[in-house]
Amino acid sequence: DAKTTQPNSMESNEEEPVHLPCNHSTISGTDYIHWYRQLPSQGPEYVIHGLTSNVNNRMASLAIAEDRKSSTLILHRATLRDAAVYYCIPLASGTYKYIFGTGTRLKVLA
Amino acid sequence: NAGVTQTPKFQVLKTGQSMTLQCAQDMNHEYMSWYRQDPGMGLRLIHYSVGAGITDQGEVPNGYNVSRSTTEDFPLRLLSAAPSQTSVYFCASSYSFSRLGHNEQFFGPGTRLTVL
Repeated sequence: DAKTTQPNSMESNEEEPVHLPCNHSTISGTDYIHWYRQLPSQGPEYVIHGLTSNVNNRMASLAIAEDRKSSTLILHRATLRDAAVYYCIPLASGTYKYIFGTGTRLKVLA
Repeated sequence: NAGVTQTPKFQVLKTGQSMTLQCAQDMNHEYMSWYRQDPGMGLRLIHYSVGAGITDQGEVPNGYNVSRSTTEDFPLRLLSAAPSQTSVYFCASSYSFSRLGHNEQFFGPGTRLTVL
């Protein structure tokens, strides 16, 4: 299983972009990179995932380094509702064992 | 759709008691899983199932049993509760990887379990 390293916590001002980094230097070539977030007192929710190229959806963008050893989740305009723990999860194709780690706690300042 | 539902929301057990946490989904998802989350920690996978009649162990399976007799339901049984099993338990479901490549998991609201 690929190991991940994420900052324990980050802060952002409301309405500003946020870049959440994840290091996954042991990732293999077929591992997808998933991001989930967990709002306070709730179950996790899916944010985005990708394999090689950058990905965008209505919630966020995912920038994947060319060597795939790191990725960055980008929230374009942070809101108070984005305050959550964000998990970066490499997942091998065809497997089912999500390893969540401890994630990054994002605090959004009004 | 109700999504993923879990019952009960809260439960207090005494050491040695057994109980079943219920999980159901109405999205016809093949894949279902159980996680536990201890205070200040990430989620750890207990057991998972890729379809009715098929289950497998995750990271921390000891002390828990599962079965999958229907697509909709995936109960988690604690055989003899211990204080170390005090945690929040989350159930999740998704389509299987064979259908869509990769896909999102939908999580239930959780069951907060305390073992005294």
